[in-house]
Amino acid sequence: KAGVTQTPRYLIKTRGQQVTLSCSPISGHRSVSWYQQTPGQGLQFLFEYFSETQRNKGNFPGRFSGRQFSNSRSEMNVSTLELGDSALYLCASSQTLHEQYFGPGTRLTVT
Amino acid sequence: QQQVKQSPQSLIVQKGGISIINCAYENTAFDYFPWYQQFPGKGPALLIAIRPDVSEKKEGRFTISFNKSAKQFSLHIMDSQPGDSATYFCAASIGSGGSNYKLTFGKGTLLTVNP
Repeated sequence: KAGVTQTPRYLIKTRGQQVTLSCSPISGHRSVSWYQQTPGQGLQFLFEYFSETQRNKGNFPGRFSGRQFSNSRSEMNVSTLELGDSALYLCASSQTLHEQYFGPGTRLTVT
Repeated sequence: QQQVKQSPQSLIVQKGGISIINCAYENTAFDYFPWYQQFPGKGPALLIAIRPDVSEKKEGRFTISFNKSAKQFSLHIMDSQPGDSATYFCAASIGSGGSNYKLTFGKGTLLTVNP
C-alpha cells in the first residue's frame, strides 16, 4: 500500500497570507490527524477527522482549520499567517484504534 | 503543562551498545504508549507500542519496558547501530471517548550511534 502523501512538501509564504495543505491517507484509513512540529514546542496535535467530522481539536487558534472529504483526503488551512506558524506540518492516518502512520510533512516557512 | 516528559534530550552510544530512553506521564487515563523514530526530512515512523496491561514488549532489537505504578516507560535499543541514529519520540493516548487518535508526544531524544 502507498503511504500517507502530503502536498506540497515545501512552501514559503508571507505574513498575513493564508495557506492550504493537503493530505491523502493510506487507502482504507478513515481517520486523519494533523500535527505541528517545531524545534521549540515539539509535536503538537492540531485536529483529527473521521468520516468528514472533526472529532478532536488541539489548543490552536481559530486561524487553523481543516476538513475531510468523502474519500478521506484532508486539507488544513491557516489564515493570516504569522512568523510563528513556520513549522513542519504532519498528517497521520489511522485505521485501527491508536496506530497512526505519518506522512513526510509539509515544511512551511513564513517570512 | 507537559503531560509526557522524555529524557535525555540527546544520547551518544557506541556501536553495539544499549540505548535507553525514558518517558514519564502524568495522566493515568493514558492507555496506549507508542514510540516513533524520525529521520531528518522524514515524518515519524511507528516503531513499537505497548498497552499498560503488559510490562514489556520486544520486537527485534527494540524493547519497551512499562511501569504502571511509577507511570514510566522506556525504550531499549540493543546492539545499537549507526543506522539507528535518529530522533526518538515517546507518546501516549487515551483509548476511549473519541480521544483515540490524539497523541501527546514527548520532546524527543536525538540518538547518535558512533561507529
